Amino acid sequence: QQPVQSPQAVILREGEDAVINCSSSKALYSVHWYRQKHGEAPVFLMILLKGGEQKGHDKISASFNEKKQQSSLYLTASQLSYSGTYFCGTVSSGSARQLTFGSGTQLTVLP
Amino acid sequence: DGGITQSPKYLFRKEGQNVTLSCEQNLNHDAMYWYRQDPGQGLRLIYYSQIVNDFQKGDIAEGYSVSREKKESFPLTVTSAQKNPTAFYLCASSRGLHEQFFGPGTRLTVL
Repeated sequence: QQPVQSPQAVILREGEDAVINCSSSKALYSVHWYRQKHGEAPVFLMILLKGGEQKGHDKISASFNEKKQQSSLYLTASQLSYSGTYFCGTVSSGSARQLTFGSGTQLTVLP
Repeated sequence: DGGITQSPKYLFRKEGQNVTLSCEQNLNHDAMYWYRQDPGQGLRLIYYSQIVNDFQKGDIAEGYSVSREKKESFPLTVTSAQKNPTAFYLCASSRGLHEQFFGPGTRLTVL
């Protein structure tokens, strides 16, 4: 079953912060985050493994709450280059270890 | 440089024709994947392969076929049984359940 992302779209001014949420109805082994620019392939941002860790990459960080089966992506002091569609992908704890993507969150950063 | 290549970038075919999309990787990854993306949608898994000469159906395998005769190659055939084949097709590879690296994609249009 597909994870649910929210919000579906968000518009920011440069320098503002945003949070994108991803939730699943299944127990999760890991959560992946990707960003896709229009017409291009998705680019990997980070992966969070079971254990409730938090990761950061420059001004983009993420958390994973395995008990709630939720992950959040935090973008601070957003830059124009952050614009794109953000996808979370989840791998469930179980035999079918495949990545299932959410429907995406379209982020637009305006000058 | 290591990476994933997909060809062609754009493909036009007449309704009822089979068409094969190429995917090659030189990252020495065991796992390879095919996804379909429709406008404004997330990525849906068509087929995946975790090892040579073995592959599994994803969520939307009907009307598609694959082969994995070599570690580096994972071609996808879109058959005439696929009712609505026009879409953006993305190939990816990974080392186990780690991050997936995506190719540039093939945009297939059926006329």
